[in-house]
Amino acid sequence: ELKVEQNPLFLSMQEGKNYTIYCNYSTTSDRLYWYRQDPGKSLESLFVLLSNGAVKQEGRLMASLDTKARLSTLHITAAVHDLSATYFCAVDVAGAQKLVFGQGTRLTINP
Amino acid sequence: GEEVAQTPKHLVRGEGQKAKLYCAPIKGHSYVFWYQQVLKNEFKFLISFQNENVFDETGMPKERFSAKCLPNSPCSLEIQATKLEDSAVYFCASSLDPEAFFGQGTRLTVV
Repeated sequence: ELKVEQNPLFLSMQEGKNYTIYCNYSTTSDRLYWYRQDPGKSLESLFVLLSNGAVKQEGRLMASLDTKARLSTLHITAAVHDLSATYFCAVDVAGAQKLVFGQGTRLTINP
Repeated sequence: GEEVAQTPKHLVRGEGQKAKLYCAPIKGHSYVFWYQQVLKNEFKFLISFQNENVFDETGMPKERFSAKCLPNSPCSLEIQATKLEDSAVYFCASSLDPEAFFGQGTRLTVV
């Protein structure tokens, strides 16, 4: 059974700092997704990573995928308050057409 | 449409009552998924469809939950005889490989 683990689960940081959220998964997959969820809202797609070594960047967020290590990272550069949200990674087991989600990382960025 | 539309946004049911949730996927998307998000943020996969056919139903508590995706109709998720533990936000998603787009969710409260 595929397991997806994120860490940390809670992260409180100051504006302007850098930090990384980690997403480990237990079985082979080459499809990994990052989503953002604001309180009471839906999931907003941030990144879709489809191959080993994939790196994508959007604004202050950068995501990478290492399929050999079964690890993805979401790096936040010079955090701003607007990035406060819960971030989820999810893994699609090849051919299964279903996502297995991590527990989520609740990110709070303080002014 | 260009977004996944879920109705209703909120639903309150007494224990033992039936609940029915609806989802209109994005036109042209061949896969539809239902996920349950409980209070601790965990996402649980329920069922997926490829067009109107069930693709994967391994997450469905079959004794009370059922789902359909019929041509020219919104997809539906029905819970017979709701229990307190069914209280959650139910998200529908549709995908055009490889990306999945989520609806706004239906918050079901069982009292």
